[in-house]
Amino acid sequence: DGGITQSPKYLFRKEGQNVTLSCEQNLNHDAMYWYRQDPGQGLRLIYYSQIVNDFQKGDIAEGYSVSREKKESFPLTVTSAQKNPTAFYLCASSGIAKNIQYFGAGTRLSVL
Amino acid sequence: DAKTTQPTSMDCAEGRAANLPCNHSTISGNEYVYWYRQIHSQGPQYIIHGLKNNETNEMASLIITEDRKSSTLILPHATLRDTAVYYCIVRVAEGGSQGNLIFGKGTKLSVKP
Repeated sequence: DGGITQSPKYLFRKEGQNVTLSCEQNLNHDAMYWYRQDPGQGLRLIYYSQIVNDFQKGDIAEGYSVSREKKESFPLTVTSAQKNPTAFYLCASSGIAKNIQYFGAGTRLSVL
Repeated sequence: DAKTTQPTSMDCAEGRAANLPCNHSTISGNEYVYWYRQIHSQGPQYIIHGLKNNETNEMASLIITEDRKSSTLILPHATLRDTAVYYCIVRVAEGGSQGNLIFGKGTKLSVKP
């Protein structure tokens, strides 16, 4: 099936640890996005990439890093510098129609 | 992006039509109306979008008023699986400078048996 795959579904981070969230798409989309959602809140943009080997900071990029070495993949690393990482992380992609974004099932990150 | 206003919550009986309103009185001529929904603990799902004509697809219908200041998303036969938060977003077709969608509070639709 075509779509966005995020893994893992649940992730636990220890103090001082970096963790990486995976996002893969087989929709042949150029643009990919990472959002963070806190309970009862809307989505906030962390990073986005319009094309391979290029990415831009979103509204809340501090404490996060990304890479876009392949069109299909846009992994997000939550670094130890992110002091409040507990949240629901959503990856999305879009093609020519930028406002029609396809989302993964999300990764729920908690701190041990 | 034009601001949108939606009711906080709505109830609907299973099998009946769910009509979700959205007010966007400051919409510009080149802005589209998009609808997404988010079922609990899942990623948002695109439903439908339109500019000025009414639109229908396999999921829903979108009715946009002639002055384009408001719209209604219609789920013709709501099921329990349609229980979700529904978001109305107004945006130019090319997207914003960052490309991200801005989700407001949305309407929490509860479909009851």
